[in-house]
Amino acid sequence: QKEVEQNSGPLSVPEGAIASLNCTYSDRGSQSFFWYRQYSGKSPELIMFIYSNGDKEDGRFTAQLNKASQYVSLLIRDSQPSDSATYLCAVVTNAGGTSYGKLTFGQGTILTVHP
Amino acid sequence: EPEVTQTPSHQVTQMGQEVILRCVPISNHLYFYWYRQILGQKVEFLVSFYNNEISEKSEIFDDQFSVERPDGSNFTLKIRSTKLEDSAMYFCASSDNRDPYFGPGTRLTVT
Repeated sequence: QKEVEQNSGPLSVPEGAIASLNCTYSDRGSQSFFWYRQYSGKSPELIMFIYSNGDKEDGRFTAQLNKASQYVSLLIRDSQPSDSATYLCAVVTNAGGTSYGKLTFGQGTILTVHP
Repeated sequence: EPEVTQTPSHQVTQMGQEVILRCVPISNHLYFYWYRQILGQKVEFLVSFYNNEISEKSEIFDDQFSVERPDGSNFTLKIRSTKLEDSAMYFCASSDNRDPYFGPGTRLTVT
């Protein structure tokens, strides 16, 4: 059973702070890693993807991947109240071909950014 | 910006009835998926579809479920005889073999 685990939170940070969201996965063969943001009652919205060990930055967001530790994280710098949402970690194993979109999701971390 | 669309946004049906959920994937995408999310639970993979056939399905996707691409643009999920436990948000997603993009979802309520 392939598992993706996240701390469900809630994680509360003040506006302007760095929010750090963590995710671990059980399948060492996992190859692609995604972070989605989900507002209540809405669909998952892709924020970032990462495939290689190390850091990947996109604006205020940085994804970090450590395959040896089976760990992926998302940092949100200069957090804003509009960042308040549930953040979903998703993993693909056996990427390539038709399996690419078969995402295994974590349960999500609720982030609250307070003014 | 291209996006995945889904209709209806909310469907209420009685137990035992058939429902069809519709999706229009992003036009140049070749891979299509259905996911569902029961209230308060994880997003779960149901099925993937490529080249006019199912490429992978989960254990949730039993004989009550079917998918179809009836024309060049629509992608449908049919539930033949709905159960109370089918109540959930159903998300369609599509990809061009990279990152899956999700539609807004259909909220299915089975009474």
